[in-house]
Amino acid sequence: GAGVSQSPRYKVAKRGQDVALRCDPISGHVSLFWYQQALGQGPEFLTYFQNEAQLDKSGLPSDRFFAERPEGSVSTLKIQRTQQEDSAVYLCASSLVTANTGELFFGEGSRLTVL
Amino acid sequence: GNSVTQMEGPVTLSEEAFLTINCTYTATGYPSLFWYVQYPGEGLQLLLKATKADDKGSNKGFEATYRKETTSFHLEKGSVQVSDSAVYFCALSNAGGTSYGKLTFGQGTILTVHP
Repeated sequence: GAGVSQSPRYKVAKRGQDVALRCDPISGHVSLFWYQQALGQGPEFLTYFQNEAQLDKSGLPSDRFFAERPEGSVSTLKIQRTQQEDSAVYLCASSLVTANTGELFFGEGSRLTVL
Repeated sequence: GNSVTQMEGPVTLSEEAFLTINCTYTATGYPSLFWYVQYPGEGLQLLLKATKADDKGSNKGFEATYRKETTSFHLEKGSVQVSDSAVYFCALSNAGGTSYGKLTFGQGTILTVHP
């Protein structure tokens, strides 16, 4: 597709369940970011990949959060033993280059609700 | 650390009114500054950017000037349209080093324009 695709768009999980959120970046984009956006707030950085290498995971809030991009394209964000405070929209963004231009292309996000 | 503060919203205007959304920042070094916009049902998209002091970013009638002396990057438009109704996010990215284009966002400002 032409843009960044995320799935599922909506996910409801019971507290304690594991969830997996998928991101299909724009083809050929080297850089991939995950952000977390709580209701009424701006996105907050979670982690960054350059191709298949996870170069920065400083924003992951706990060891229950795990992200991978094994072949340098599709990425998955996994949250284990979900808690209510994990409820948020998870945004994926990709960029063609690794330089600091800030021109990220965002998906529409995956809205996670933990009951 | 880096931070971005936007004026509190929401902002409601009539069509053809003048728009200002204030944004101030705190950052080390010489960051690049951005405005992203999120239209209803769509992902975040870059509206404009400025990469050094006194630069003016512009797009779709919107403008913002990078003011280092006041650490500000206020968004302006001379005559808003109903189609400008969206959420606007100010953001910064530190140049160089290991930032990888990681963005720090403000909390967002909801703009509603009435006919």
